[in-house]
Amino acid sequence: EVQLVESGGGLVQPGESLRLSCAASGFTFRRYWMSWVRQAPGKGLEWVAKMNPDGSERYYVDSVKGRFTISRDNAKNSLYLQTNSLRAEDTAVYYCARDTSACFDNWGQGTLVTVSS
Amino acid sequence: QSALAQPPSASGSPGQSVTISCTGTSSDVGGYNYVSWYQQHPGKAPKLMIYEVSKRPSGVPDRFSGSKSGNTASLTVSGLQAEDEADYYCTSYAGSSSYVFGTGTKVTVL
Repeated sequence: EVQLVESGGGLVQPGESLRLSCAASGFTFRRYWMSWVRQAPGKGLEWVAKMNPDGSERYYVDSVKGRFTISRDNAKNSLYLQTNSLRAEDTAVYYCARDTSACFDNWGQGTLVTVSS
Repeated sequence: QSALAQPPSASGSPGQSVTISCTGTSSDVGGYNYVSWYQQHPGKAPKLMIYEVSKRPSGVPDRFSGSKSGNTASLTVSGLQAEDEADYYCTSYAGSSSYVFGTGTKVTVL
């Protein structure tokens, strides 16, 4: 059974940083593209970033370019999202999702990031 | 990119059908056969219901079907059941290795 478990969320002040983690199990992690998708409270879904299986390609939504960095450790079956210079509008539940055939076929339960002074 | 346009709400009685539209542009929905649909119950993670416009993942009831015409994709839920009451989101590949989601539709089973 595919499992994705996010962690690392919390309450931070504007301008601060957080590193989100996603632990994967139940599938061969090193063979899959992975994405981060977020959902602001009461709002819709927004794709944030994606990474290819060997970590050589990274893509981001324009609003986080230069502030967020996606990475992975295939030896640890883990995906990460380093979020810097956080803004109030980055407040959201961040989901880790397996990215296959241009869709997200498995999702974690999400981790909440709250940016507030 | 701008979010794909979905109606805010849709409803139907048990056993009826409801169709949700998802309108984009030739740069996303109209340009690729990579439209997918997700069901999200309150407080839960989204669940994939349809991928590549009309394909159903294993375990998704055949009451759920997808289609596309031009820049508009659609999700139809036939034989509505109480458990189908949820938010539904479309998404499309938008080129340059990016994706765009729809604005979301709340489906109510009357």
